[in-house]
Amino acid sequence: KQEVTQIPAALSVPEGENLVLNCSFTDSAIYNLQWFRQDPGKGLTSLLLIQSSQREQTSGRLNASLDKSSGRSTLYIAASQPGDSATYLCAVVGSGNTGKLIFGQGTTLQVKP
Amino acid sequence: DAGVIQSPRHEVTEMGQEVTLRCKPISGHDYLFWYRQTMMRGLELLIYFNNNVPIDDSGMPEDRFSAKMPNASFSTLKIQPSEPRDSAVYFCASSRAASSYNEQFFGPGTRLTVL
Repeated sequence: KQEVTQIPAALSVPEGENLVLNCSFTDSAIYNLQWFRQDPGKGLTSLLLIQSSQREQTSGRLNASLDKSSGRSTLYIAASQPGDSATYLCAVVGSGNTGKLIFGQGTTLQVKP
Repeated sequence: DAGVIQSPRHEVTEMGQEVTLRCKPISGHDYLFWYRQTMMRGLELLIYFNNNVPIDDSGMPEDRFSAKMPNASFSTLKIQPSEPRDSAVYFCASSRAASSYNEQFFGPGTRLTVL
């Protein structure tokens, strides 16, 4: 059974720092991996999607990497800003591409001005 | 595109009452997913549809929960009778099979409180 873990559960950094959020999954046979952002009381916003054949994806100050063999993904945020404060969730789809997303518990990020 | 639309945004009801949550997926999307989010269990998939047909309902917690998708633009999740432990945020999401590898787009959620 696929399990997704995110460490740390919470992170607080000063504005301007570069930071890394970690995601690990137990079954390396995945179809893709998505990183989402969730603001308090809001829905999920898709940030980046990495296919199983890819190693990384970039969007603006965000860069996500994927290492299937080790069952790990990282989300790198450059030059963090207070507006980046939110909960970041990673989720994987199994290799059968059923579309089922298995989520981690998320990392809650606070960027202090 | 308006994105995934859910209604109501908030629902407060008493134990034993029937609750119906509604979802309108993004036009042209083939897949529709219902998720539940709680502090204890995080985000869990309840059921998903492909071309209006339920494919996997193994996440539906009990027979009190049912979901339908009568057409490509509308789905409901019904709880009857509701219980306090059903209190959670329920999300609907949709994706297009032929698009960029099934990227899922989420609605704003319905926050359900059962007293």
